[in-house]
Amino acid sequence: EVQLVESGGGLVQPGRSLRLSCAASGFTFDAYAMHWVRQAPGKGLEWVSGVLWNSATTGYADSVKGRFTISRDNARNSLYLQMNSLRAEDTALYYCARDIGVVTAAIGYWGQGTLVTVSS
Amino acid sequence: IVMTQSPATLSVSPGERATLSCRASQSVGGDLAWYQQKPGQAPSLLIYGASTRATGIPARFGGSGSGTEFTLTISGLQSEDFAVYYCQQYNNWPQTFGQGTKVEIK
Repeated sequence: EVQLVESGGGLVQPGRSLRLSCAASGFTFDAYAMHWVRQAPGKGLEWVSGVLWNSATTGYADSVKGRFTISRDNARNSLYLQMNSLRAEDTALYYCARDIGVVTAAIGYWGQGTLVTVSS
Repeated sequence: IVMTQSPATLSVSPGERATLSCRASQSVGGDLAWYQQKPGQAPSLLIYGASTRATGIPARFGGSGSGTEFTLTISGLQSEDFAVYYCQQYNNWPQTFGQGTKVEIK
């Protein structure tokens, strides 16, 4: 069974940093692209960042480019999101997500999310 | 790529058909997915490749379209289908979602 468990969320002041983690299990982690998707309270979904299986390619939403860094450790079956210079508008539930297939790039699996609140 | 969904809210009676639209600001080929999200839950994949149902998705959910115009059709709406639906393009990074269509009970 595919499991994605996020951690690292919490309350943080504007301008500070936070690192999210996602522990993956139940599948061959290093075969799949992985993503972070967020959802602000009462709002829609926003793709934040993605990384291919070998970390050779990463991508970011314009809203976080230059502030957030995605990484993965295939030996530890883990995905990370380093978030710097946090803003109030980064407040959201952050989901870790996996492509449905090795080739097919739609998101097929989601964690339950970790809440990030940016406030003074 | 900007994804625009319409309508924002769709009021439908149980048993009726719902038709949801999604438009891309430029061609995404067939790299279009539809997700369903219920309150307090993570999204779940319904359709990928514009028209392929994900595992376990009932046949009343159908996707069509290519390029810039896409449609999700739900035939014979059941009580568990009232939710918010999002389209997403994964043809180009950054991937982008539409703003969602809420399907509510009429």
